[in-house]
Amino acid sequence: GEDVEQSLFLSVREGDSSVINCTYTDSSSTYLYWYKQEPGAGLQLLTYIFSNMDMKQDQRLTVLLNKKDKHLSLRIADTQTGDSAIYFCAEKPSGTYKYIFGTGTRLKVLA
Amino acid sequence: KAGVTQTPRYLIKTRGQQVTLSCSPISGHRSVSWYQQTPGQGLQFLFEYFSETQRNKGNFPGRFSGRQFSNSRSEMNVSTLELGDSALYLCASSLVQGVNEQFFGPGTRLTVL
Repeated sequence: GEDVEQSLFLSVREGDSSVINCTYTDSSSTYLYWYKQEPGAGLQLLTYIFSNMDMKQDQRLTVLLNKKDKHLSLRIADTQTGDSAIYFCAEKPSGTYKYIFGTGTRLKVLA
Repeated sequence: KAGVTQTPRYLIKTRGQQVTLSCSPISGHRSVSWYQQTPGQGLQFLFEYFSETQRNKGNFPGRFSGRQFSNSRSEMNVSTLELGDSALYLCASSLVQGVNEQFFGPGTRLTVL
């Protein structure tokens, strides 16, 4: 199937780390993406990882990829209240022109 | 560089009517994709256009259609609106090379009464 799965909610305290998990379906996907959506806005690309990488770090963001298990995670260090949003993982299967998005994880950061 | 723009931002229609939404991609981007976002179904792919051709289509009924013009601007049309068509419709543009990052517009919020 084409379901990309994520947990629906995550709540963390300000200053803690957040880890958002995603299970994707198509092992042919060359790139895997993380997007952020704030209330009333479109999606903003946060980071991406190439499928032959295990890890990518970009300032407070760390992406881990376990290709064998088709598992992707996004770690946000020192989470701030401004990080409160919905986070989507997405894959683009090779040979297609469409992206498959996960269900989205709503991150709530408590002050 | 201007981002992806969508018009209108908000729209209220009644059942049975039709609606046309517009999307202007980032200058130089030739691929435009459309998504429907609802609380129940999440973000679902509608279709993707490149060089005025639809290259891929999601699992939506024929009431949903689109087109792309020579300047890469795209429109999507929904005919015979149903209550369940109420959603945020997002448009995204990309260069179609390399990382193929999609840049999203702010969306059009459609409410069907």
